[in-house]
Amino acid sequence: AQRVTQPEKLLSVFKGAPVELKCNYSYSGSPELFWYVQYSRQRLQLLLRHISRESIKGFTADLNKGETSFHLKKPFAQEEDSAMYYCALYNAGNMLTFGGGTRLMVKP
Amino acid sequence: GAVVSQHPSWVICKSGTSVKIECRSLDFQATTMFWYRQFPKQSLMLMATSNEGSKATYEQGVEKDKFLINHASLTLSTLTVTSAHPEDSSFYICSARVDGGDYNEQFFGPGTRLTVL
Repeated sequence: AQRVTQPEKLLSVFKGAPVELKCNYSYSGSPELFWYVQYSRQRLQLLLRHISRESIKGFTADLNKGETSFHLKKPFAQEEDSAMYYCALYNAGNMLTFGGGTRLMVKP
Repeated sequence: GAVVSQHPSWVICKSGTSVKIECRSLDFQATTMFWYRQFPKQSLMLMATSNEGSKATYEQGVEKDKFLINHASLTLSTLTVTSAHPEDSSFYICSARVDGGDYNEQFFGPGTRLTVL
């Protein structure tokens, strides 16, 4: 069975500091991984996916199959990045499994 | 991008009543929609997968007679919480997957907060 783990429930950094939100997964097949973000009082929305190798809002995430990780990184955090971040894995059954989420707080 | 709406956004009901929540894909067709439940400060838990024209597939531990799902058309899925009890109070979120898209991207609704008194 697949599992997505986000070890940090809360991550607090100062504006301009680098940020890394950790995500580890377990899945027997070839994973398809996503990061979703939920800003305050807004719906969940896709931030990025490993397939497209994009950089969205300065965030990047690299799939490391050896370490079964998909950490989300940004070199310089902004206050508007404060939100809940969810790592998610898509399995062959076409279902998304979410991690527990990490709340990022960027302090001025 | 694709938009998913939910109605109502917030509902308060008495214990024992049934509540219907609608999920609509506004500008695309969705053969498959998903229903999630989210408790405060917790992650989304998949309840069921709703397939247009067929019965929903429920996750383990989710009572199908309690949470009735009907995917009536390619743009509408409904979740009915029957004989609601206070422990059913939660945030219910639906999502829809774009048919024929290059990626398995799901678009999420804004959620419905259910409070059962």
